[in-house]
Amino acid sequence: QVQLVESGGGVVQPGRSLRLSCAASGFTFSRFGMHWVRQAPGKGLEWVADIWYDGSNKNYADSVKGRFTISRDNSKNTLYLQMNSLRGEDTAVYYCARVSTVTTSLDYWGQGTLVTASS
Amino acid sequence: SYDLTQPPSVSVSPGQTANITCSGDKLGDKYSCWYQQRPGQSPVLVIYEDTKRPSGIPVRFSGSNSGNTATLTISGTQAMDEADYYCQAWDTTTALYVFGTGTKVTVL
Repeated sequence: QVQLVESGGGVVQPGRSLRLSCAASGFTFSRFGMHWVRQAPGKGLEWVADIWYDGSNKNYADSVKGRFTISRDNSKNTLYLQMNSLRGEDTAVYYCARVSTVTTSLDYWGQGTLVTASS
Repeated sequence: SYDLTQPPSVSVSPGQTANITCSGDKLGDKYSCWYQQRPGQSPVLVIYEDTKRPSGIPVRFSGSNSGNTATLTISGTQAMDEADYYCQAWDTTTALYVFGTGTKVTVL
C-alpha cells in the first residue's frame, strides 16, 4: 500500500534552517510528481511547492520562493524540503503528497510533520 | 494570484443534503477537486476532475463545476461526514496549485 512518512520537523529559531524528508513506499516513486502542502495551526491548507517525477521542474508558492527548495532522490525514494530563513508564519504542519498520474489532484498524503519557528 | 473562495461553514441535518461551493474566476474552465479533512487527520481526496470519485469514496459524494463555481454535494449526510472540506484547482496561467479557503461541515 502507498505510504508517505514525513520527518524532520521540530522547533527552530526564526532565521534558521530545517530540512524535511518524506519517505515513500508502496509505489514506483520515480514515476510520480510530489508536493509539499502546509497547514498553520487552526488554519486552512496552503500549497507550498511541487516537483516533477524526474526533478526537472519545480514550482513554489510566492510565500516561500527564494527561501525553500524542493528536491528528491529517486534512488532513495525520498522527497525533501529545505527551508531557510524561517519565519514565524512558516509554523505549520507540513504534508507531503503524491500527484495522481491521470489528474492534477493529490491522491495520497502523509501524516504530516510539525515545524515551529519560534524563539 | 488565483483565489478560491468557500463559505466558512455549512450545517446539515443527518440524512439531508449538504452543498459546498467553491468560487473562482472561470473555475469551470479548469479541473477542480475536493479533499475531506477530519479533525486531527490528513486530507483525503474525495472528488477529482470535477465529478469523479476515487476508489473507496462513498457514492453519496458528488461534484459539479460550471461557470465560476464548483460544488461538492453530500447526499444523505452521515455523522462521519463532519469534517473540513477544501476545493483545489490548478492555475494554468502560473502552473501553481491553489486551495480554497475551506468549509467546516457540521452535522447537527
